[in-house]
Amino acid sequence: SQQGEEDPQALSIQEGENATMNCSYKTSINNLQWYRQNSGRGLVHLILIRSNEREKHSGRLRVTLDTSKKSSSLLITASRAADTASYFCATDDSNYQLIWGAGTKLIIKP
Amino acid sequence: DVKVTQSSRYLVKRTGEKVFLECVQDMDHENMFWYRQDPGLGLRLIYLSYDVKMKEKGDIPEGYSVSREKKERFSLILESASTNQTSMYLCASSLTASGGLKQYFGPGTRLTVT
Repeated sequence: SQQGEEDPQALSIQEGENATMNCSYKTSINNLQWYRQNSGRGLVHLILIRSNEREKHSGRLRVTLDTSKKSSSLLITASRAADTASYFCATDDSNYQLIWGAGTKLIIKP
Repeated sequence: DVKVTQSSRYLVKRTGEKVFLECVQDMDHENMFWYRQDPGLGLRLIYLSYDVKMKEKGDIPEGYSVSREKKERFSLILESASTNQTSMYLCASSLTASGGLKQYFGPGTRLTVT
């Protein structure tokens, strides 16, 4: 079952610009995670934010969580060509499972 | 670093064949997962296993079975492959729920059924 919905579905920006992706979910969560998938490869974990946190940073990544709106955003600052990938949010259902969104495809133009 | 490996990157099989996809993780994780990924649909869980010989159906188990005889190895079996099982298959593993359910993925197997 899908809980997370990423927005936009696709995003194309110039190298050096910031990229913002959003994720909305439906039920209460313990934590929310963001993953990256390079073309045709497996997913790589980027960052995890717990339900009692509002913002988290990791290098050029900034994640916010608004549990009242059931939404999260992922900001990538100073984008690079290597950031071209699909980005997925995932929320837990406290039953060993993650529930995934359909992803945002990000293209960084040189 | 956690390493999750999958037996094949690309696989082409004929309709009706029995197909085995294998996944091995090297970090003693309790939980292992099989997903399929199709364009526009994100990841859909086929089966999960939270211990040796324990399995649980995910969202789309029909046409699939799994086997976990050893902690590090989780196999996905397509009993009789069909063209609608053409997809990318991703294996993942994770620690217990207390670890935040962070999942580690293999590189994926792109299966084509003709």
